[in-house]
Amino acid sequence: NAGVTQTPKFRILKIGQSMTLQCAQDMNHNYMYWYRQDPGMGLKLIYYSVGAGITDKGEVPNGYNVSRSTTEDFPLRLELAAPSQTSVYFCASSPGQANQPQHFGDGTRLSIL
Amino acid sequence: AQSVSQHNHHVILSEAASLELGCNYSYGGTVNLFWYVQYPGQHLQLLLKYFSGDPLVKGIKGFEAEFIKSKFSFNLRKPSVQWSDTAEYFCAAAGGGSYIPTFGRGTSLIVHP
Repeated sequence: NAGVTQTPKFRILKIGQSMTLQCAQDMNHNYMYWYRQDPGMGLKLIYYSVGAGITDKGEVPNGYNVSRSTTEDFPLRLELAAPSQTSVYFCASSPGQANQPQHFGDGTRLSIL
Repeated sequence: AQSVSQHNHHVILSEAASLELGCNYSYGGTVNLFWYVQYPGQHLQLLLKYFSGDPLVKGIKGFEAEFIKSKFSFNLRKPSVQWSDTAEYFCAAAGGGSYIPTFGRGTSLIVHP
């Protein structure tokens, strides 16, 4: 199984550009999540989804948008890239029970210049 | 608000030393607890989890953790660390009626050979 697949792995954007970070999982998990990881700050939840068509804001949603049209895919959209969005982005999925761990993708390293 | 605290942000050890990383959570009631490890340049992967039963949980690579309900703690331990244990370690908790885990800020462990 591929698990959670994120693309691209690296990207450099100019301020004001937009892009979509892709995330796909093949485990039929209901829950999917987007996190950003900044040095010394741990993981901050951006958005999450509990199923197709249902999304909700996490701790740091400003500047991002998501959609969940299928169980498998959960793309993250940056509309107007800002230097503060330079980070490593991780997508994760889980079955949706509190006692089940999350499965993480390999991350996307994004730099905004 | 629900929170997870990791008290040690940076730990430096020599090989064969014993390790204990602290984790405290703020949830009341039923809680599900996780430790994840992130090796340099890689994604997070599950070390161990607790959701019920024996409060002493054994995970992969010789790690274990003890759930102490009265102290709201879930500390990670390893009797003898190896250079390959150099990584970042995250504690996470899900509970208080939510399936969405909260992560601590992480502990960076460096093991000198």
